[in-house]
Amino acid sequence: AQKVTQAQTEISVVEKEDVTLDCVYETRDTTYYLFWYKQPPSGELVFLIRRNSFDEQNEISGRYSWNFQKSTSSFNFTITASQVVDSAVYFCALNLDSNYQLIWGAGTKLIIKP
Amino acid sequence: NAGVTQTPKFQVLKTGQSMTLQCAQDMNHNSMYWYRQDPGMGLRLIYYSASEGTTDKGEVPNGYNVSRLNKREFSLRLESAAPSQTSVYFCASEARGIYGYTFGSGTRLTVV
Repeated sequence: AQKVTQAQTEISVVEKEDVTLDCVYETRDTTYYLFWYKQPPSGELVFLIRRNSFDEQNEISGRYSWNFQKSTSSFNFTITASQVVDSAVYFCALNLDSNYQLIWGAGTKLIIKP
Repeated sequence: NAGVTQTPKFQVLKTGQSMTLQCAQDMNHNSMYWYRQDPGMGLRLIYYSASEGTTDKGEVPNGYNVSRLNKREFSLRLESAAPSQTSVYFCASEARGIYGYTFGSGTRLTVV
């Protein structure tokens, strides 16, 4: 069975702190894709990153970085020097190459305090 | 602007009423999806359409029907609304294997 676990329900930090959001996934498939989405208070879903299972290279995009480790089935997301605008719910999701369904974690609510 | 357009943004229905949620994308994507999001949860797939002319059930299809009208449009119909269908509904499209999913802005549906 496939599953995505985001164990951190809510994280609260002060602005400018670094914060890491954890994502652990389960699948027996060898070809799959991992995603992170941001859902700000306005409710829309914003695509952040897509990573395929054959590419374990870490990715950095501005203050955002992602660490993909197949050995631990984790795809963690770090925000460096957090800002109030980063406050949102962040979802990790898994898509199998053999299936059209996106399997979502329950989300982590990130609160950045000024 | 290119993207996924959903209508309406808000809707209140009485139990037993029917309605259709509309979704259109202008990115020439083959695949389209309907998800629902309940409080404190991730999204759950209701139905999807891998390509024009095909539709398939997702994780929670009961109480819903869909129509892939053409490549651009994918509608979701509630034939007899129930309070359990109170949720936020998202439509999404995807160019399979190329990029991430693009989501519409959502429809907040309340069934009383």
